[in-house]
Amino acid sequence: SQKIEQNSEALNIQEGKTATLTCNYTNYSPAYLQWYRQDPGRGPVFLLLIRENEKEKRKERLKVTFDTTLKQSLFHITASQPADSATYLCALSDKLIFGTGTRLQVFP
Amino acid sequence: DAGITQSPRHKVTETGTPVTLRCHQTENHRYMYWYRQDPGHGLRLIHYSYGVKDTDKGEVSDGYSVSRSKTEDFLLTLESATSSQTSVYFCAISEWTGIITNYGYTFGSGTRLTVV
Repeated sequence: SQKIEQNSEALNIQEGKTATLTCNYTNYSPAYLQWYRQDPGRGPVFLLLIRENEKEKRKERLKVTFDTTLKQSLFHITASQPADSATYLCALSDKLIFGTGTRLQVFP
Repeated sequence: DAGITQSPRHKVTETGTPVTLRCHQTENHRYMYWYRQDPGHGLRLIHYSYGVKDTDKGEVSDGYSVSRSKTEDFLLTLESATSSQTSVYFCAISEWTGIITNYGYTFGSGTRLTVV
């Protein structure tokens, strides 16, 4: 069956540094992959979508890479801020199979 | 969240009782989804709909049924609630047209259901 893995341990980084979150998947060849942000008590909020033929996608301080050979996506937040603290979820097309998410904590 | 509302936001019910959760959208999107979110499992798809009266099962559909009689409403029913169905339920919508766009899903704020 399809499996998608994100680091379940929280990622703690200092403000101003780059946060890098990993999403690995198996037994699947998604046409695209999405990243979401979820704050406590709220629903996920869409951030970025990257297609299988795209190596990299950027949006402001966010960057996503997609390596279909490694079956891995990396999510980067540059110049991180305490307001970036949240849980970040990756999801595979097409009916959105979600990973369990990685909690990011940015300290001042 | 803009364009999608879930009701109720919180509900406590007894084992064995039927429960219906409602998702309402004002975006006229074709696709609607019900997920449940549990610690250690993340978001799991229960059922989804690709049009009025058109629905299909997701990964964890046992014990759940859905109905969509109007584009804007997607109902999730627990026929006979069990403690294992205690969870946070999210509804989502998308304007999937068969062409990959740069838009993702829009999620509601969730319903926290406790079955005692």
